[in-house]
Amino acid sequence: GAVVSQHPSRVICKSGTSVKIECRSLDFQATTMFWYRQFPKQSLMLMATSNEGSKATYEQGVEKDKFLINHASLTLSTLTVTSAHPEDSSFYICSARIPGADTQYFGPGTRLTVL
Amino acid sequence: GDSVTQMEGPVTLSEEAFLTINCTYTATGYPSLFWYVQYPGEGLQLLLKATKADDKGSNKGFEATYRKETTSFHLEKGSVQVSDSAVYFCALLGSTGANSKLTFGKGITLSVRP
Repeated sequence: GAVVSQHPSRVICKSGTSVKIECRSLDFQATTMFWYRQFPKQSLMLMATSNEGSKATYEQGVEKDKFLINHASLTLSTLTVTSAHPEDSSFYICSARIPGADTQYFGPGTRLTVL
Repeated sequence: GDSVTQMEGPVTLSEEAFLTINCTYTATGYPSLFWYVQYPGEGLQLLLKATKADDKGSNKGFEATYRKETTSFHLEKGSVQVSDSAVYFCALLGSTGANSKLTFGKGITLSVRP
């Protein structure tokens, strides 16, 4: 089956630093990847849609200068949380979609804690 | 816009009990419907899906039927196990646009007691 990995699985950083999270599709090429944020005991909130070779499309209310997304290849998308603050602490999950298919395959998530 | 409504939780059942988790949706056109499961500390896994009316998705003993007349996609399992304890999300994929997005319900936590 389609496998999506994320790295790191867990990261703790100091306030003001930047953190990069990688999302990789391991056995398929993904022209479209998605980044979600999940708060405790809540559903997933779509942050942005990432298309290979073009700029990401951000959802309303998501700061694109704070959450930088790069989708430089068909198997890798990165999310960089810039100048992180404690309120950015959350569970970040990516997903990837096989071209032409309707199913999204999710990564295992990254737990970000900003001190 | 598209929306998904799940029954309020959490749900606690004894092992081997029958499970029903309700899910209804609002969408234009003909969406695809999904159930995802999230085990503690992990990302989401696709449990099952259905892409058109009257389709039944099934996996690991779970079933859900796409009911267009009632705009529902209820999840059922005849006999739950402790290992089924997780959060279950109902979702729909809108039928238009190359970047059509998944819309999730709020999720419901299932706890199964031995």
